[in-house]
Parts: sequence; C-alpha cells; structure tokens
Amino acid sequence: EPEVTQTPSHQVTQMGQEVILRCVPISNHLYFYWYRQILGQKVEFLVSFYNNEISEKSEIFDDQFSVERPDGSNFTLKIRSTKLEDSAMYFCASSVLSGNTIYFGEGSWLTVV
Amino acid sequence: TQLLEQSPQFLSIQEGENLTVYCNSSSVFSSLQWYRQEPGEGPVLLVTVVTGGEVKKLKRLTFQFGDARKDSSLHITAAQPGDTGLYLCAGDQTGANNLFFGTGTRLTVIP
Repeated sequence: EPEVTQTPSHQVTQMGQEVILRCVPISNHLYFYWYRQILGQKVEFLVSFYNNEISEKSEIFDDQFSVERPDGSNFTLKIRSTKLEDSAMYFCASSVLSGNTIYFGEGSWLTVV
Repeated sequence: TQLLEQSPQFLSIQEGENLTVYCNSSSVFSSLQWYRQEPGEGPVLLVTVVTGGEVKKLKRLTFQFGDARKDSSLHITAAQPGDTGLYLCAGDQTGANNLFFGTGTRLTVIP
C-alpha cells in the first residue's frame, strides 16, 4: 500500500542551526501538508502546498519556516534557525485532492538542544 | 483557533465493555475525521463523516456526526485489548484539509 515516507526519523540539532525535514508524498497525490505535534500536545496544522505554492499556513508557520518541492518527488520543510520550542514531531501528509482523505507519514522527531 | 474538545481525556476499561468518546466544538465543520495514533507514529485515519446526523460503522466501532456538524462520537462495542491507543478527532472547516485536531482520548483496554 502506498505510504508517505519521511526522513530523518529523528534529528537532534543545536539551537540556531538550520534543519531540513524531508518527505516523499504518495506518488499520485497533489496536495501536501506539514503538521507538528509537540510532546503531549495536539497535532497542529502548519502549512498546505499545491501546485508549487503554499495554499494555506497557520500562525505557527512564520518566517523561520519554508517549504519546497525541489524535484518531482520530495517535499521539504526547512526551519532556518531552530529554537528550543521547535522540538516536536513533524508529520508530512498528502492527499489526492483538497478535501480528500489525508495520509500521514510516521513523522520526524526533532529535538533542539 | 477552533477548539475541539474530546472527552474523556483518559479511559481505562475492562475487555468486553462498551465505551463512547465524545468530540465537541462550538464551530461547524464540513467534515470530521477520527484517527488513531500509536506512540511514535503518525495518525491513521479511521473514518470521515461529512453529513449532519451521519452514522458510520467500522466493525465494532460506530461513528456519528452531530446534526449541526459541530460534534461527533465514537462508540466501541465489546472493547478488545487491541483497541488500546490514542483516538483523535479532527475537523475540517473549509474542505481544504487544514485539520483542527482534538485533544485526544487515550484508551486502555485491560485484558
């Protein structure tokens, strides 16, 4: 069964460093998303992406965050200068169309020290 | 920020018992989804409900969307230890999959 894959599964980084989280969405899906979940808290929407541009973003997705689809398969989330409070599980997700079933990856656990 | 409150937050029951988990909001949603999440993994979709009053069944799980599309419930009949996990509801207001997740219900089914 097709699935969303994410790398790395776990990354530890020093505060102020740049981090890139990578995702390979399901191949025929057109909409891509990033969500995050701080330990013990709710899953929160960060951004949605369609047709090579951001569709919507939340208040969390500030200037420190960016997304990119550098080639035909990868979808990346970049955090330019990490803060301690960026420590969280970051989930990539994709769907065929907006409003269709959304499939989540297994997550990338980011620890900022 | 739209708030989806789930209750109870924690639930521990004996195998074979029935249970109901509630997901409530003051906001109207175009659809509401239920997920199950295992530790260290991403949420896995169980069901999507889109019509007010809709009831969907998935084996021993029954999902209902409120008439006003502001709330939902998940009922499990004859719970099994394999049902143990974190159950999340998530609402979609615009049909754009910008999901607002609930606070979660952690279910433990004791053999």
